[in-house]
Amino acid sequence: AQTVTQSQPEMSVQEAETVTLSCTYDTSESDYYLFWYKQPPSRQMILVIRQEAYKQQNATENRFSVNFQKAAKSFSLKISDSQLGDAAMYFCAYRSSDQYNFNKFYFGSGTKLNVKP
Amino acid sequence: DAGITQSPRHKVTETGTPVTLRCHQTENHRYMYWYRQDPGHGLRLIHYSYGVKDTDKGEVSDGYSVSRSKTEDFLLTLESATSSQTSVYFCAILGRTGVNYEQYFGPGTRLTVT
Repeated sequence: AQTVTQSQPEMSVQEAETVTLSCTYDTSESDYYLFWYKQPPSRQMILVIRQEAYKQQNATENRFSVNFQKAAKSFSLKISDSQLGDAAMYFCAYRSSDQYNFNKFYFGSGTKLNVKP
Repeated sequence: DAGITQSPRHKVTETGTPVTLRCHQTENHRYMYWYRQDPGHGLRLIHYSYGVKDTDKGEVSDGYSVSRSKTEDFLLTLESATSSQTSVYFCAILGRTGVNYEQYFGPGTRLTVT
């Protein structure tokens, strides 16, 4: 099974500043997908951004962008111009592109992000 | 929100009692999942289903069983609840957007076993 590691259990950022959440993963596969999910206090899991491993260009969704370093097996999430509504638990996830395992997701333990006004 | 509902949303039960959680989806997705979420562990897969009556175990399946008699419903049963099964339980489906497969989650069920 793949492993996904989020080494920062909790982080804080000042409103309007930038913060980066770290994620590393372990895999022997060459093609796969990576995701960041946000879980606000409501508990609803929300997909924030996805990255396809065969694409070298880093994914961007508005204020959210990733830094994907395939050789280092690193997938960090950068949140720019942080807002109070960004306060949440963030989970990194991995999915194989293999035809037999494409349906299996592996999640990290999460990083709780606090946003200070 | 991919049309996923979970019931109940909250439940308190006593050790040794059976508990069934229900996940319902309205969009005919083939794959459905049950996860539990605990502090420091993230989301851990309990069981998943790849069709009616087709299920398989995840990494933390001990003490849990599942059933899927209809495409839209996936049931998670704790045959005899224990305090270690106090957790938040999430149902998910595998949705497809173009060539991308992504998981979409229900709102979660908070279960407390006393």
